[in-house]
Amino acid sequence: GQQVMQIPQYQHVQEGEDFTTYCNSSTTLSNIQWYKQRPGGHPVFLIQLVKSGEVKKQKRLTFQFGEAKKNSSLHITATQTTDVGTYFCAGGLTGGGNKLTFGTGTQLKVEL
Amino acid sequence: GAVVSQHPSRVICKSGTSVKIECRSLDFQATTMFWYRQFPKQSLMLMATSNEGSKATYEQGVEKDKFLINHASLTLSTLTVTSAHPEDSSFYICSASPAEDQETQYFGPGTRLLVL
Repeated sequence: GQQVMQIPQYQHVQEGEDFTTYCNSSTTLSNIQWYKQRPGGHPVFLIQLVKSGEVKKQKRLTFQFGEAKKNSSLHITATQTTDVGTYFCAGGLTGGGNKLTFGTGTQLKVEL
Repeated sequence: GAVVSQHPSRVICKSGTSVKIECRSLDFQATTMFWYRQFPKQSLMLMATSNEGSKATYEQGVEKDKFLINHASLTLSTLTVTSAHPEDSSFYICSASPAEDQETQYFGPGTRLLVL
């Protein structure tokens, strides 16, 4: 079945450093979504990418969808303590309706 | 807008009992709701897809007789964990997709189930 892997699994950074998490799917995706889950909380939708090679920005966050629509990345510039949490990508399959397969997640810790 | 609630937020039960979890879309109609479970420090695993008025579609390896799903209206889906055992202890999260934006899922706050 479809697998969606993320690396790294954990990342500790100093506040102000950049952070990137990479998402790789075993199959071509119709769209990729990114979610953030704070400790003890539930996933919160961040963004959806649909087009091959698409890049979207939200303030300090930059999201990219690969040309082959099998990989994606999330880059955070100048991390802040409020960025702490686990970031999940979730891929949708063509013909899969709106079902999502969640990636393994990257847990980000930001230290002062 | 796009708020999804779950009830209860936490539940502790004895082994062998059944537990019902409710998922409600508060300000939109959800033609599709999803049920996930999440173990500590792990990803969300889709259990089943629930469409209003029809039987739920379960993912491979998920026992439909163990996890009963009912999607009785466009704003309510329920998950019943029947004859719960300690290994069923987990974080159960639902999500709902609005009829007009079916590619977006809005997540509920989750229900932490502990089976003793």
